[in-house]
Amino acid sequence: AQRVTQPEKLLSVFKGAPVELKCNYSYSGSPELFWYVQYSRQRLQLLLRHISRESIKGFTADLNKGETSFHLKKPFAQEEDSAMYYCALHNYGQNFVFGPGTRLSVLP
Amino acid sequence: DGGITQSPKYLFRKEGQNVTLSCEQNLNHDAMYWYRQDPGQGLRLIYYSQIVNDFQKGDIAEGYSVSREKKESFPLTVTSAQKNPTAFYLCASSIVEWRANVLTFGAGSRLTVL
Repeated sequence: AQRVTQPEKLLSVFKGAPVELKCNYSYSGSPELFWYVQYSRQRLQLLLRHISRESIKGFTADLNKGETSFHLKKPFAQEEDSAMYYCALHNYGQNFVFGPGTRLSVLP
Repeated sequence: DGGITQSPKYLFRKEGQNVTLSCEQNLNHDAMYWYRQDPGQGLRLIYYSQIVNDFQKGDIAEGYSVSREKKESFPLTVTSAQKNPTAFYLCASSIVEWRANVLTFGAGSRLTVL
């Protein structure tokens, strides 16, 4: 069965500190992995996806098939990064599966 | 302005009543989804549809029903059989194409049962 886990419900870091939001998945095929973000009073929106291999707002995520992980990283956190972050998995032709989410709080 | 429109934004229901949440998209997306968002549980899939007149149950379909008569519309009915309906409901859509699926979300509907 497809499953996505995010071990931290809440992650607090100080401004300028590195941040890593963990995501692990279980799936036997070749899934697509995504990070979605929900800022306060805004819609849930795509942050980045593994096949794009791009950096969005300073965030990067590398798919590690050996460890079945897709951790989200940013070297220097900003206060505007405070939001709810969801890791998600998708298999073509089927539905998306979301993790429980991690709330990132960047302290001044 | 393309996107997904959910209505109403807030809805109150008395126990025993059915309510229908509207979801309309003008993105020409084939697939549409309904998720329930609860604190600490992330997004849980209720129903999804990849083509008109067809839909599949998600993980928590009990007490809910949907229809997909038009490509643009995917309404969700929360029936009286749903034991704990108070929640935030999110509608989403996507194209169905290999390695091109990205969900676009609506603003959500918050249902409160009185």
